[in-house]
Amino acid sequence: EIVMTQSPATLSVSPGERATLSCRASQSVSSNFAWYQQKPGQAPRLLIYGASTRATGIPDRFSGSGSGTEFTLTISSLQSEDFAVYYCQQYNNWPRTFGQGTKVEIK
Amino acid sequence: EVQLVESGGGLVQPGGSLRLSCAASGFTFNTYWMSWVRQAPGEGLEWVANIKQDGSEKNYVDSVKGRFTISRDNAKNSLYLHMNSLRVEDTAVYYCARGQFVLAYWGQGTLVTVSS
Repeated sequence: EIVMTQSPATLSVSPGERATLSCRASQSVSSNFAWYQQKPGQAPRLLIYGASTRATGIPDRFSGSGSGTEFTLTISSLQSEDFAVYYCQQYNNWPRTFGQGTKVEIK
Repeated sequence: EVQLVESGGGLVQPGGSLRLSCAASGFTFNTYWMSWVRQAPGEGLEWVANIKQDGSEKNYVDSVKGRFTISRDNAKNSLYLHMNSLRVEDTAVYYCARGQFVLAYWGQGTLVTVSS
């Protein structure tokens, strides 16, 4: 099983600032990689797939990069609605696996 | 509009059984892989199982193999998760989602609580 490790666990950011979230895979997943956002009491929402392609309706302040084992999600200017938990996920192998999440909170 | 609506969750004793259902609408159900993902209270996400369009291929995470069965009824646009020999650690919100690799559409989830 591929283990996905996210860092940091919690990120404190002021509105308008840039946020950078990281995810590392225990072995290469090529670009078979996605990011999700989850708000309390809601289902996750797909943000990025293919490591860098935004899903339908996702604002361009969200961008993804990386390949192989190292990936980054950048939120260029945090809006109030962006404070949430973010999960990475690989789909190179079965079982599909998620990271443990990064909580982005208001500083 | 794509809609996925789960049902069937509830309180069950350890060792018991439960069947979850997911009613799909707004898309051609029989052309998509479907999946179940769960989330224990306050925890992260775990992809439990997925099933091919015609039901001919199914995959399970090791923790549920031999206990859970994923199935679908394309005539009813429905996805199911049959859960047997339930354990306390199976307590979670169970989400139905569309996809084999990434999950672009999710239901609202149904809570399964395994407790004596």
